[in-house]
Amino acid sequence: GAVVSQHPSRVICKSGTSVKIECRSLDFQATTMFWYRQFPKQSLMLMATSNEGSKATYEQGVEKDKFLINHASLTLSTLTVTSAHPEDSSFYICSAPTSGGDEQYFGPGTRLTVT
Amino acid sequence: RKEVEQDPGPFNVPEGATVAFNCTYSNSASQSFFWYRQDCRKEPKLLMSVYSSGNEDGRFTAQLNRASQYISLLIRDSKLSDSATYLCFPASGYSTLTFGKGTMLLVSP
Repeated sequence: GAVVSQHPSRVICKSGTSVKIECRSLDFQATTMFWYRQFPKQSLMLMATSNEGSKATYEQGVEKDKFLINHASLTLSTLTVTSAHPEDSSFYICSAPTSGGDEQYFGPGTRLTVT
Repeated sequence: RKEVEQDPGPFNVPEGATVAFNCTYSNSASQSFFWYRQDCRKEPKLLMSVYSSGNEDGRFTAQLNRASQYISLLIRDSKLSDSATYLCFPASGYSTLTFGKGTMLLVSP
């Protein structure tokens, strides 16, 4: 199956700092990628849709100025959590569909802890 | 009605048991259907696609009922390694990406 990578896999940062998470499609191109957040024992929640070459679209309730998304190439999308706070601590996952398909291939996730 | 509903479980079954999960969806425009498996603290992984009335892959059988808008997943001869959360994903293009909250399965010796 298609491979999606994420970096870093785990990050601990202090409150007020910014953290950048990368999502890469390794063996296919992805004009669209998706970012999710998952709190412990909760379901996946879609945060935003990342579109190559254009602005991301955010789900209701997700602050676009706090969660900056950049999709600069067909294989890379980045999510920057700005001015992180402890309540932003979560498991952040990206996914990408392969061309012509609806199934999503997920990155391994990034576990963010804000102290 | 929620977009995608699943019984959260947990379903506790002994090894060798047969267990079935259901998932109902409200978007009648859904065209493709998938079951994902998510292990604790890991990303979801595609388990099965369901494109027509249903399909089978080894011990796993997925069925689709478009009229009633539900899909099911049947696991036969459960293994300890089947313990995970199973997520339902009815897809309708990129306009909506809604996963079910998942059904937790615990298989015990």
